[in-house]
Amino acid sequence: SAVISQKPSRDICQRGTSLTIQCQVDSQVTMMFWYRQQPGQSLTLIATANQGSEATYESGFVIDKFPISRPNLTFSTLTVSNMSPEDSSIYLCSVDAGMETQYFGPGTRLLVL
Amino acid sequence: GESVGLHLPTLSVQEGDNSIINCAYSNSASDYFIWYKQESGKGPQFIIDIRSNMDKRQGQRVTVLLNKTVKHLSLQIAATQPGDSAVYFCADPNYGQNFVFGPGTRLSVLP
Repeated sequence: SAVISQKPSRDICQRGTSLTIQCQVDSQVTMMFWYRQQPGQSLTLIATANQGSEATYESGFVIDKFPISRPNLTFSTLTVSNMSPEDSSIYLCSVDAGMETQYFGPGTRLLVL
Repeated sequence: GESVGLHLPTLSVQEGDNSIINCAYSNSASDYFIWYKQESGKGPQFIIDIRSNMDKRQGQRVTVLLNKTVKHLSLQIAATQPGDSAVYFCADPNYGQNFVFGPGTRLSVLP
């Protein structure tokens, strides 16, 4: 299985600022995914990030709010822009492990004041 | 739209007892399901999967049952241990295109 790390592991941010979350994988993967997990809730897919192309966003998520980079096959970033308290969540990246399976990073816990 | 939901949001079991976590799905075309375990402060961890050509699949202390007739699957944990305390999600990978996660069941193991 892939080893996935995220930075930062947690952060407290002020309203109106932006935070960039990094996701690093120890092997090359084609597809990477970004999820949001609001407190006490399940996971919601934000977008799919493939290397060399623009991210594909799910309904309710837009590039201006959640810009994503995928510069190579082992790394991706998600930026949460112009944050509000409603953006307080856990943000998780995952990778396509083949056979339709995904492995997840440890998550980034974000609190917006 | 598709939904993947659970019958019980929380489950408390005595250590050593068996645990059963249920999940209902709505998409009759779904042919593959995964169970994830999410411990506090961590990301979801793959536990076990099952394809629709199977009714049952066993792992180490875990068994997943799939009833396609009623669109229901369950995760059974034998001899539940304190380390099993976590939130458990069923997920439909939807052919790898758009994972759909259930709302999760919190399993608490009582001493």
